[in-house]
Formats: sequence, C-alpha cells, structure tokens
Amino acid sequence: DAGITQSPRHKVTETGTPVTLRCHQTENHRYMYWYRQDPGHGLRLIHYSYGVKDTDKGEVSDGYSVSRSKTEDFLLTLESATSSQTSVYFCAISDIPPKIGYEQYFGPGTRLTVT
Amino acid sequence: AQSVAQPEDQVNVAEGNPLTVKCTYSVSGNPYLFWYVQYPNRGLQFLLKYITGDNLVKGSYGFEAEFNKSQTSFHLKKPSALVSDSALYFCAVRDGGNAGNMLTFGGGTRLMVKP
Repeated sequence: DAGITQSPRHKVTETGTPVTLRCHQTENHRYMYWYRQDPGHGLRLIHYSYGVKDTDKGEVSDGYSVSRSKTEDFLLTLESATSSQTSVYFCAISDIPPKIGYEQYFGPGTRLTVT
Repeated sequence: AQSVAQPEDQVNVAEGNPLTVKCTYSVSGNPYLFWYVQYPNRGLQFLLKYITGDNLVKGSYGFEAEFNKSQTSFHLKKPSALVSDSALYFCAVRDGGNAGNMLTFGGGTRLMVKP
C-alpha cells in the first residue's frame, strides 16, 4: 500500500464520543486526502491537504475536521461521532510531476462503527 | 465541474473471455484519467492512467485502457479474464486546472469472472 498506514484499522465507538483517525505516509508526498466509502455512494472526499497546515473541505466535510502538522501525518477527527459516520475511511496520498504522475495511492482503510 | 460515469454496476464474464469495463467522463479541460481496482477489505490499487500520448495505455496485471476523446470514454479492457480479476473497479478523472490534485471517482463496477 505504497508506504501508507492507517490507524486504527478497526474501531467501534459510541455516539457522541470524539474519534481521531491517523494516516501516516513515508513517501514525502505533498497531497493527502480523506475519503469515506459507503455502499451505493462510492468514494466521497471528506477533506484534503495540499501542504503542512494547508487543508480544505471536500464533498462531505460536515462533522469532520482535519489537521496536518507534519508532511507525513494527516489526522481526521470526528468531533462527536454519529451513526451516519459508520463507514470505511481511506487515506490517500499524491503528488505531481516530476515526483509522480498525479495518481493517488491509497491506504488500507479504517472500518469505523458508531453504535 | 468534472464527472465520471460507470454505467454498469456489475459485469459478468467467463474465465478466458475478454472483458470490458466502461467509463465515460466530463471535464472542462484536458482529461487525466485513471483506473483503480479494489479487492475485498483492501484499499484501492492504482492500475493505469492516461495523461497524454498514445490512446492505448497498458497497466498492471495485463489490463489496458483505450482513451477516446470524441466519445469521452476510457474503457478498461483485458484480453483474457481470470477468476482472480473479480473485484470492484473504479474510474477516476482529474481536471487539469485542479490545484488540490483531486480526483473525481465513478461509482464503481463490480467485475465477476466465473470459472
């Protein structure tokens, strides 16, 4: 999985609790992304980062926040988890030429269940 | 805004037969196109891309894709399907003027290869 790790890989949490998911890369790529994957919805972008401390919202950002204090780490926080946030979360990284050719590389995913 | 359509939710083929997974796109500028594969409980894996040049691009695991500008299509193909090709396939497009290097993904096509 191209030097990308996600932790935890599985998590069960209760409604209303805060949750933080971590993405760590060893590729030194500039861009990092958080997606969620749900049946019938494909992949949806939550937030992305284009550099340290530079982040922006994606398609489904409500209820989520992110932080990137180092090139290698991108954190996704659910401030107060809800059952609708039960999903599989993927982190991805990318860069542009000459480093690589625009494609994104994905981590193994985190399965989050909110009860 | 850019968009990607994968018109088939599922494609069924017999092992040894050729396979095609369809993708059409819409972008305002020059398209950068990508195919990914996802096996159960795994992240997406990059298969191939078209940025410029030859309309027929070759990728991993014997897959290839044909870029057709007039039909705005980028169909994934393989001459002889294997049972192990059974997976979920995603097409994605990048708009050339995209500062965040973001991709827009199609909804996915499940490929079932039967022995």
